[in-house]
Amino acid sequence: DTAVSQTPKYLVTQMGNDKSIKCEQNLGHDTMYWYKQDSKKFLKIMFSYNNKELIINETVPNRFSPKSPDKAHLNLHINSLELGDSAVYFCASSQGLANYEQYFGPGTRLTVT
Amino acid sequence: AQSVTQLDSQVPVFEEAPVELRCNYSSSVSVYLFWYVQYPNQGLQLLLKYLSGSTLVKGINGFEAEFNKSQTSFHLRKPSVHISDTAEYFCAVSDELNSGGYQKVTFGTGTKLQVIP
Repeated sequence: DTAVSQTPKYLVTQMGNDKSIKCEQNLGHDTMYWYKQDSKKFLKIMFSYNNKELIINETVPNRFSPKSPDKAHLNLHINSLELGDSAVYFCASSQGLANYEQYFGPGTRLTVT
Repeated sequence: AQSVTQLDSQVPVFEEAPVELRCNYSSSVSVYLFWYVQYPNQGLQLLLKYLSGSTLVKGINGFEAEFNKSQTSFHLRKPSVHISDTAEYFCAVSDELNSGGYQKVTFGTGTKLQVIP
């Protein structure tokens, strides 16, 4: 049973489109995250939710909107996709904040053409 | 602001040889330190972490790391590597509180370990 799952695994779309990535964790964790990993493997946090409350919102364009319908789910919606949005997006979860191990999903490779 | 530096972007090493992957951090307060591994086309998984106590931390797959406060380092070591250790390794630090009072984890840029048969 996958601990942190993401769908889809691959997403190819054209500039200007709107797309969503879904994430679910079955670990009972309170905290969930979205990370963006660029082509050079640099991993940068985008958002973090704790008990469905947004607690970390890094400098991310407002075209990106996370939504947490419940503690087990954190979805990422992206409007008006741009070439620079091409990356691998990882969802992660942890039992708590900062000093707890983060469990990562397999990633969603987004390609914007 | 906290930061993590992994000076080596790539480290080639022969199978069964020892390896050290370097990590330095900058922080003015107490830190939590982590090493994560990312195998090709997979998400990251935790190798080991330092929260407090003994400065030598042992992790999975025979890896260990030593926290050195005076040198602000947290280098990862393994005495004998295997082909299966070929992966990207990320050092991470947590100490900084964001504007909302929450700590966040900052990842280094990664070191690609290439084990040569």
